[in-house]
Amino acid sequence: GGIITQTPKFLIGQEGQKLTLKCQQNFNHDTMYWYRQDSGKGLRLIYYSITENDLQKGDLSEGYDASREKKSSFSLTVTSAQKNEMAVFLCASSIDSSAETLYFGSGTRLTVL
Amino acid sequence: GEQVEQLPSILRVQEGSSASINCSYEDSASNYFPWYKQEPGENPKLIIDIRSNMERKQIQELIVLLDKKAKRFSLHITDTQPGDSAMYFCAANLDTNAYKVIFGKGTHLHVLP
Repeated sequence: GGIITQTPKFLIGQEGQKLTLKCQQNFNHDTMYWYRQDSGKGLRLIYYSITENDLQKGDLSEGYDASREKKSSFSLTVTSAQKNEMAVFLCASSIDSSAETLYFGSGTRLTVL
Repeated sequence: GEQVEQLPSILRVQEGSSASINCSYEDSASNYFPWYKQEPGENPKLIIDIRSNMERKQIQELIVLLDKKAKRFSLHITDTQPGDSAMYFCAANLDTNAYKVIFGKGTHLHVLP
């Protein structure tokens, strides 16, 4: 079995700061995703990547950048953290198509002071 | 459209009874409808899914129904147990070529002893 590792587990930043979240998977999956989870709003898609070096915007991409330099890793950058922002960012991967199981990491919990 | 609506947001049922969660989608090209369960402090995990070539699927106490004409799908948990208490998310892929998986806002199921 494989695993998705997100680092860090907890991230505390200052308003306006640029923050980077990392995700690694050893499933050898082609497709990777970044979702943001807020209470009462479910999981909202920020970016996804169909394969290495590919990037596709989700519904919540404004304020974020992403990078897929290797098949196994997908990073997300908050370009300017918003004060009082709190959310969990979930990374996921799926094998190679649009109709397959998503495997999620444990999440990065972001707090902006 | 790119929305997946999910109701109810909170569901309380008595142990042993059934629980039903309903979702609707807008994109008639959607062909894959998974359901994820998220327990407190855990990441979401796939529990059952249905593809557009099926109308009904059952895995043990979980039943999913798909009405493509109405663009609705639902999860039914029969004989609920305390371990079924969790957040449940429905999802749909929105375009068979774009790998976008969009989630509903979630249903918080409480199974009361």
